[in-house]
Parts: sequence; structure tokens; C-alpha cells
Amino acid sequence: NAGVTQTPKFRVLKTGQSMTLLCAQDMNHEYMYWYRQDPGMGLRLIHYSVGEGTTAKGEVPDGYNVSRLKKQNFLLGLESAAPSQTSVYFCASSNQGRPLHFGNGTRLTVT
Amino acid sequence: DAKTTQPNSMESNEEEPVHLPCNHSTISGTDYIHWYRQLPSQGPEYVIHGLTSNVNNRMASLAIAEDRKSSTLILHRATLRDAAVYYCILSGGTSYGKLTFGQGTILTVHP
Repeated sequence: NAGVTQTPKFRVLKTGQSMTLLCAQDMNHEYMYWYRQDPGMGLRLIHYSVGEGTTAKGEVPDGYNVSRLKKQNFLLGLESAAPSQTSVYFCASSNQGRPLHFGNGTRLTVT
Repeated sequence: DAKTTQPNSMESNEEEPVHLPCNHSTISGTDYIHWYRQLPSQGPEYVIHGLTSNVNNRMASLAIAEDRKSSTLILHRATLRDAAVYYCILSGGTSYGKLTFGQGTILTVHP
């Protein structure tokens, strides 16, 4: 049982480059979330989805786009990376009223 | 979401009980109290949650004050593996599982 899988685990980008982070869950969860965590800080919600084909903005959505074309996948895109987006990105999934299950994160550095 | 207040850090010795406090004086009647923890270099993991009554599971116990303005996470016998950042989070019933993480409490466990 893989749970929540994030790819890649590490990435280094130059300012202005684009990339997509992939989150996959095998628990048939309805809800999926993308968080970012900066050093010494708690997690902040970027975007979330309450079902296939739906997305919504979280606390810090600027500079990111998301898509949920399949129920099991939630993609996070950076169209033009900036150094301020250097962070660890966590994906999570859940069903209504149930605990969130998190992946182990993607460490992104933007130079 | 209502705010929670936790100590920045706490220390414990291995095999001793640990009581992690959380204040949430502005909690609303429909807010659940959630506890997650984050081990080094991992995503957060669910520990326990409750609404009004004390709760027990295999990982921990949650003691909720009668007025619900504070709660305590109890680890009955700390192990080295319990060293982590512990987050106390409030979440309403209609929030689609979105969680707002603060900075949490860093728990250090000494051998």
C-alpha cells in the first residue's frame, strides 16, 4: 500500500524555469491538498481539490497552478519559478471527516 | 479558523510520560481538535483528534478541558522515535479537511 507518493523527491530550478510536481494516491480519497513548508515554519496550504475536476485556492496560491484530471492524481505547476518558491512541498489526501495522509515531500530549490 | 497556542519546545526522558499542552480559547462549538506530528524529513502524520470527550488510541491520548479552551496530548511512555514537531490544529466541520498548521511544539526525547 503506497499511500501518497510524490515525484520528484528533489529538484533544482533556475529562476524563470517551469516544472510540475506530481502527487498520486491509491486510497480512493476525494480530497487532495498541496502545502509548502519553509524552514522552521508550519505548513501553508497552496491549493486543494474536493473531487476530480475541481480545484480551489488555499492560503498562498500565487505563482502556482493545479489540476485534478484524475481522482488519484493532483498536479502542482510552477510556470515561472522564483527564489521565493524554494521550499519543501507536501501533498496530502483524505476523505470527508477523516485524517489527512501526507507524502514525504518534494524539496525544491530555485536559484 | 480559530487560533491555537503551543509552547515552542519541550523535553522529556525516554519511557516517561509527556504532556503537550495546547490553548484554543476562541474555539467554536463545531471545531474539532486535531493533533499531527512531523518526524524529521517526513510529512506530517495523524496522531489523534476529538470534539468534546477525551480520546485514546494506540499512539496517544487526548484530554480536552471541560470548557474546550485547552487540550493536552499525552504520550504515555515516550520513545526516541517520538521526537518530532507536534501540531495542535482546529478544524471546522465544513472545511473540507483543510488544516492550518502553526509552528507546533518541538519535542526532544533524551535517552
